Amino acid sequence: AQSVTQPDIHITVSEGASLELRCNYSYGATPYLFWYVQSPGQGLQLLLKYFSGDTLVQGIKGFEAEFKRSQSSFNLRKPSVHWSDAAEYFCAVGAGLTGGGNKLTFGTGTQLKVEL
Amino acid sequence: EAGVTQFPSHSVIEKGQTVTLRCDPISGHDNLYWYRRVMGKEIKFLLHFVKESKQDESGMPNNRFLAERTGGTYSTLKVQPAELEDSGVYFCASSQAMGGAETQYFGPGTRLLVL
Repeated sequence: AQSVTQPDIHITVSEGASLELRCNYSYGATPYLFWYVQSPGQGLQLLLKYFSGDTLVQGIKGFEAEFKRSQSSFNLRKPSVHWSDAAEYFCAVGAGLTGGGNKLTFGTGTQLKVEL
Repeated sequence: EAGVTQFPSHSVIEKGQTVTLRCDPISGHDNLYWYRRVMGKEIKFLLHFVKESKQDESGMPNNRFLAERTGGTYSTLKVQPAELEDSGVYFCASSQAMGGAETQYFGPGTRLLVL
């Protein structure tokens, strides 16, 4: 069965600083990988996803993630954090379901705080 | 285009009562999913519909939970009778039928508190 580990429960960074959120996964085949963000009172919003091809994936809001098969990692990065990036971030791995669809397995989330 | 909507946004009930959560997916999305996040834990898969058919309900905790999807449109998740451990945030998501290479769009969730 697939699993996802987000080792950092809370991270605090200063506005303008760079950010890296860690994600490690366990999955037997080539994974479908996702990063979602949840702002207070909002649903989960997809930042980016990896299915195949280029291992460096660009997403919305200036985020990017790099798939490293050898390390089973899919870390999320942003070169300069904005105060509005304060939110909870979730890494997920997807597995195909019978009849189509994709079952997502999530990590426990990383809560990002941005200091002004 | 309207996103995934969920109702109610919050629900506080007593142990033993019944609660019904509703999800309206994005129009035209055949796939509908329910997930749950218990406080301090990860978001966990509950079940998956394709149109009106349940395809996978391996994540449903027990038979106190009943999910339906009327006519392949909106879905309801009923908890009867509710227990304390059912407290958490229930998310609904929908997607177009694209196999594994799909994006699931999530609703804002229903926060359920069982006292």
